[in-house]
Amino acid sequence: VQLQESGPGLVKPSETLSLTCTVSGDFLNDNYWSWIRQPPGKGLEWIGNIFYRSTTKYNPSLKNRVTISVDRSKNQVFLRLNSVTAADTAVYYCARHFDGTYLNYWGQGTLVTVSS
Amino acid sequence: EIVLTQSPGILSLSPGERATLACRASQSFTSNFLAWYQQRPGQAPRLLIFGASSRAAGIPDRFSGSGSGTEFTLTINRLEPEDSAVYYCQQYGDSVHTFGQGTKLEI
Repeated sequence: VQLQESGPGLVKPSETLSLTCTVSGDFLNDNYWSWIRQPPGKGLEWIGNIFYRSTTKYNPSLKNRVTISVDRSKNQVFLRLNSVTAADTAVYYCARHFDGTYLNYWGQGTLVTVSS
Repeated sequence: EIVLTQSPGILSLSPGERATLACRASQSFTSNFLAWYQQRPGQAPRLLIFGASSRAAGIPDRFSGSGSGTEFTLTINRLEPEDSAVYYCQQYGDSVHTFGQGTKLEI
């Protein structure tokens, strides 16, 4: 199983951060998929996850700004985070759950910087 | 939201020694659904322990997890230089998963 995050490395304040996680070696239907982020020099923050096409859970601290979705035909998981600020600057990881529990596969992560 | 507090923040030890890392939860959660991850500089986290005490595939038996309820421990025996990393605990028993703030282990 391999996960690869992609997307713009620079986003302007107040705009929308959009990332894609492309999955190989597995099928989206069979698992839960999470997004996690890590600000530079800081710890991990769970953003949320998705199961099947639309069952989602989000971190309450981000719930009003975040959307996670999937495209099964492309085997991709998406993250959208609205109204970003500098505090959203982080390395963003996608990861696969084992049966909705722990995270047993992680992507390499992608750095997103929020700056004008 | 369940808050996980890890201690100590930084742990400095020598090769061959034993490391004991703690993770305390603000409340108990489902069935010891607690995992430990290792993150080396510039790398993604790697799963070490799940279910509080089960080692993930390919993890040396020098790594062990224990605990229940709200108190959990990661023990690393016979430390090696490659064990230098930040270690995070994570609970997945609540619908909102949370991580501890991490313990930096210096060898």
